[in-house]
Amino acid sequence: DQQVKQNSPSLSVQEGRISILNCDYTNSMFDYFLWYKKYPAEGPTFLISISSIKDKNEDGRFTVFLNKSAKHLSLHIVPSQPGDSAVYFCAASFNDMRFGAGTRLTVKP
Amino acid sequence: EAQVTQNPRYLITVTGKKLTVTCSQNMNHEYMSWYRQDPGLGLRQIYYSMNVEVTDKGDVPEGYKVSRKEKRNFPLILESPSPNQTSLYFCASSLRGGGIVTDTQYFGPGTRLTVL
Repeated sequence: DQQVKQNSPSLSVQEGRISILNCDYTNSMFDYFLWYKKYPAEGPTFLISISSIKDKNEDGRFTVFLNKSAKHLSLHIVPSQPGDSAVYFCAASFNDMRFGAGTRLTVKP
Repeated sequence: EAQVTQNPRYLITVTGKKLTVTCSQNMNHEYMSWYRQDPGLGLRQIYYSMNVEVTDKGDVPEGYKVSRKEKRNFPLILESPSPNQTSLYFCASSLRGGGIVTDTQYFGPGTRLTVL
């Protein structure tokens, strides 16, 4: 039972354009959401998070949007850079943390 | 340097041969967790520990054991490995776990296990 879903296994974007990664969840008890970024041969690293009391959180080029009624969150990267190429995991937590399957982002120069 | 370390990074073994993957963190974190990453399934939690001597099952605990005798270490034990345990394993820790807000988890570099 995957409570957190990332339906796009991959995304390719041109450098300088916007990357939008999407994530859906089913458990309305989740109250904290995070995005992790993973490069090959490394562990995931924290990127940005949002509490369920907010609908937007911004950190530099990265913005996370939360739509609680739709149980949907998205990560926007503007402008996208080649160094952003990685696998991005969405995660949601209440008492424990559940991860999505990941989306592989490729930013082309 | 604050970090989570795992050993070994790579391991090839045979069915039934007991093995242990070690995990250590130097951040005095209370919460530690083990995940396995499989294609198309993302990270699935195996076991977690809220503090010393407190462990609990995650989503996929079958075939695994853990112990938390000290705060910094959280080894993952496969008593009788099978080929379906071939995977990429990550250990993670955070300051606290559970409650209203879950702290950011810090991940180790991963252990790629192949069971023949």
